[in-house]
Amino acid sequence: EPEVTQTPSHQVTQMGQEVILRCVPISNHLYFYWYRQILGQKVEFLVSFYNNEISEKSEIFDDQFSVERPDGSNFTLKIRSTKLEDSAMYFCASTLYRIDEAFFGQGTRLTVV
Amino acid sequence: GENVEQHPSTLSVQEGDSAVIKCTYSDSASNYFPWYKQELGKRPQLIIDIRSNVGEKKDQRIAVTLNKTAKHFSLHITETQPEDSAVYFCAPHQAGTALIFGKGTTLSVSS
Repeated sequence: EPEVTQTPSHQVTQMGQEVILRCVPISNHLYFYWYRQILGQKVEFLVSFYNNEISEKSEIFDDQFSVERPDGSNFTLKIRSTKLEDSAMYFCASTLYRIDEAFFGQGTRLTVV
Repeated sequence: GENVEQHPSTLSVQEGDSAVIKCTYSDSASNYFPWYKQELGKRPQLIIDIRSNVGEKKDQRIAVTLNKTAKHFSLHITETQPEDSAVYFCAPHQAGTALIFGKGTTLSVSS
């Protein structure tokens, strides 16, 4: 069964460093998302991406964040200068249609020290 | 934007009992109503969804009911089992918006 895959599964980085989280959505899906989940809290929406551009973003997704689809398969989230409060699980998701079941990757646990 | 509330925030039941989780939303334009289950340390996964032209949908022990007038929908789990223990999130949304999750309900089923 097709699934969304994310790498790495765990990333430890120093405060102020840049990190890139990578995702491979399901191949025929058209809509891509990033979410984050701080330990024990709800899943928070960051950004959605369609047709090679951002279609919606939350207040969390400020200038330190960016997304890119560098080729036909990868979807990346870059955090330019990490802060301690960026420590969380980051989930990538994709859907075939705009309103549809979202398939989530297994997540990348980011720890900023 | 959509304002989503889930109740209760935690729910403890005995194995075999029923569990009901309610989700209220604010945006009357919402037309898709999914429920996601997240087991500890795992990714969220869809367990059931309903669209606005339907009042109820059932899949074995799980059902979802929708009241569009009152702007709420509920997840019903019958004959609960220990493997139903997880956090459940509702995520009502409309075309052109992303899934916005509720705060979640932690369900604990004890045997």
